[in-house]
Amino acid sequence: GENVEQHPSTLSVQEGDSAVIKCTYSDSASNYFPWYKQELGKRPQLIIDIRSNVGEKKDQRIAVTLNKTAKHFSLHITETQPEDSAVYFCAARTSSGNTPLVFGKGTRLSVIA
Amino acid sequence: GAVVSQHPSRVICKSGTSVKIECRSLDFQATTMFWYRQFPKQSLMLMATSNEGSKATYEQGVEKDKFLINHASLTLSTLTVTSAHPEDSSFYICSVPRGPSTGELFFGEGSRLTVL
Repeated sequence: GENVEQHPSTLSVQEGDSAVIKCTYSDSASNYFPWYKQELGKRPQLIIDIRSNVGEKKDQRIAVTLNKTAKHFSLHITETQPEDSAVYFCAARTSSGNTPLVFGKGTRLSVIA
Repeated sequence: GAVVSQHPSRVICKSGTSVKIECRSLDFQATTMFWYRQFPKQSLMLMATSNEGSKATYEQGVEKDKFLINHASLTLSTLTVTSAHPEDSSFYICSVPRGPSTGELFFGEGSRLTVL
């Protein structure tokens, strides 16, 4: 089955700097790669996703890149703000059929004002 | 508005009792729902895949007799934690695929179970 590795587990950045979180996956059949932001005690919130037919996707300060050959994808947050502080999870699945999302272990991002 | 409704959001129970958590798909039919468990400061771990009209598929290490899953209709799946123990205290969250080929999952609000 799918296995998703995520690094780093914790990340501290100064406000205004960029943050990068990296993930690798094992199943070449996976074709859907979402990123979630989770605040304490709440459900994960989808912030951006990318499909395997695209190499990069951007939404304002957030971007995701995908390298299918290397089986890795990354989240980039620019101009970080204190409200970006949260736990971020990457995940992977195949979009067809009834396969579940497999999550990485998460990255706790702290943006220091 | 919410696409997936899950309740209760919080439940405290005594050790040995059973607790039922409901997950409802509000806007569309769902033949499949996924149940995840999240311990403090950890990731979401898949417990089981709930299949409408048939038995759930459990992940390795998840006791099917302890975590009973019923998916009797296309909009409702329930997870019952039987004979709960303190180590079952966790955040349980269900999710529903958006469609057969989109990839996206919708998540319920989650249920925080505390077993005393």
